[in-house]
Amino acid sequence: DSGVTQTPKHLITATGQRVTLRCSPRSGDLSVYWYQQSLDQGLQFLIQYYNGEERAKGNILERFSAQQFPDLHSELNLSSLELGDSALYFCASSVVTDSYNEQFFGPGTRLTVL
Amino acid sequence: DQQVKQNSPSLSVQEGRISILNCDYTNSMFDYFLWYKKYPAEGPTFLISISSIKDKNEDGRFTVFLNKSAKHLSLHIVPSQPGDSAVYFCAASAWDDKIIFGKGTRLHILP
Repeated sequence: DSGVTQTPKHLITATGQRVTLRCSPRSGDLSVYWYQQSLDQGLQFLIQYYNGEERAKGNILERFSAQQFPDLHSELNLSSLELGDSALYFCASSVVTDSYNEQFFGPGTRLTVL
Repeated sequence: DQQVKQNSPSLSVQEGRISILNCDYTNSMFDYFLWYKKYPAEGPTFLISISSIKDKNEDGRFTVFLNKSAKHLSLHIVPSQPGDSAVYFCAASAWDDKIIFGKGTRLHILP
């Protein structure tokens, strides 16, 4: 158990819909990262937050957005969903912001868009 | 453009033998490399890392070798055990930048 929790575990929805994925980092971790893992793809970095502020952006679509709240939990919002958005979405957390720190991953949310 | 490449999608190794997982990278600015291990239905977990100032790092049965001139790193697992069956992700980063992951190699340890 990494200490990072993600809800829900599974999500099935239809094209065009909007969903929100939630992540609670490990106690004491200020950085939260979101990754997408599609079929046959590695982990694609989406976005990072540090202590409530956006820190780095990766291959995140404009239809996707995220935020980190004062209690440090984070939400990833996916809108106008397309079939290709079906993937595993992982959240990770670390103590500080630089990439030399080990990231602890949650169990992921499996999103299926029908 | 894949900056971190794991060219073998899968690998099968006999229990007790050595498993060697390979990874190539293209960005010469990368100076920190990591391996993550992932079991089905779980998130990846950190396994071992190496800084570019070293060419080898060892932790128990796991050793990572870095060849900077070839932009290549490898993970050696000796001896391989059934519990090592998992997907292994190679990852790399430059200072204060995001981690870039490869697509992963699925390792099967055969009895």
